[in-house]
Amino acid sequence: ELKVEQNPLFLSMQEGKNYTIYCNYSTTSDRLYWYRQDPGKSLESLFVLLSNGAVKQEGRLMASLDTKARLSTLHITAAVHDLSATYFCARHFGNEKLTFGTGTRLTIIP
Amino acid sequence: DAGVIQSPRHEVTEMGQEVTLRCKPISGHNSLFWYRQTMMRGLELLIYFNNNVPIDDSGMPEDRFSAKMPNASFSTLKIQPSEPRDSAVYFCASSFSDRDNGYTFGSGTRLTVV
Repeated sequence: ELKVEQNPLFLSMQEGKNYTIYCNYSTTSDRLYWYRQDPGKSLESLFVLLSNGAVKQEGRLMASLDTKARLSTLHITAAVHDLSATYFCARHFGNEKLTFGTGTRLTIIP
Repeated sequence: DAGVIQSPRHEVTEMGQEVTLRCKPISGHNSLFWYRQTMMRGLELLIYFNNNVPIDDSGMPEDRFSAKMPNASFSTLKIQPSEPRDSAVYFCASSFSDRDNGYTFGSGTRLTVV
């Protein structure tokens, strides 16, 4: 059965700290996406990771992909309040539809 | 590009009424997806279309739900009759299936059935 699991589900962290969100998927993937959702808003695409070892960075967020371990990470560096949101990973393979993870609700505390 | 356009943004209806949600995908995108999001169940894919043809409707909860895509620029999701447990945010998303950019989501329709 295809599963995409994220952990933690909830994360409170202080401004200025670093942390990592993990995304594990159970079957082969050829693309891995990260999305952000602000409360009451839509999902916004952050990163697409296409190959093993891929790393993408935008500001304080960095995403990486290890296809052998079936693991993607989203690393937050020196968190700021504006990063408070729910983050989803989503796995894609071939002609299959995207399968989303459960989401990680991130709250940055001043 | 205006993005994926959904209407209405909010809908409040009484139980038993028919509800129709609308979606206009991004021009040139050939895949369209309807999702439902609730606190309890997260994001659920209801149905998706490729080149206007329904490909997978296994996520449609029951016969009260139906979806159509009569042309490349318009899709509807209909609930008849609606029930309080259908209350959720319904998102439409579109993509170009041969590219790597993922899905672009609309702003969603927040449906409340009372």
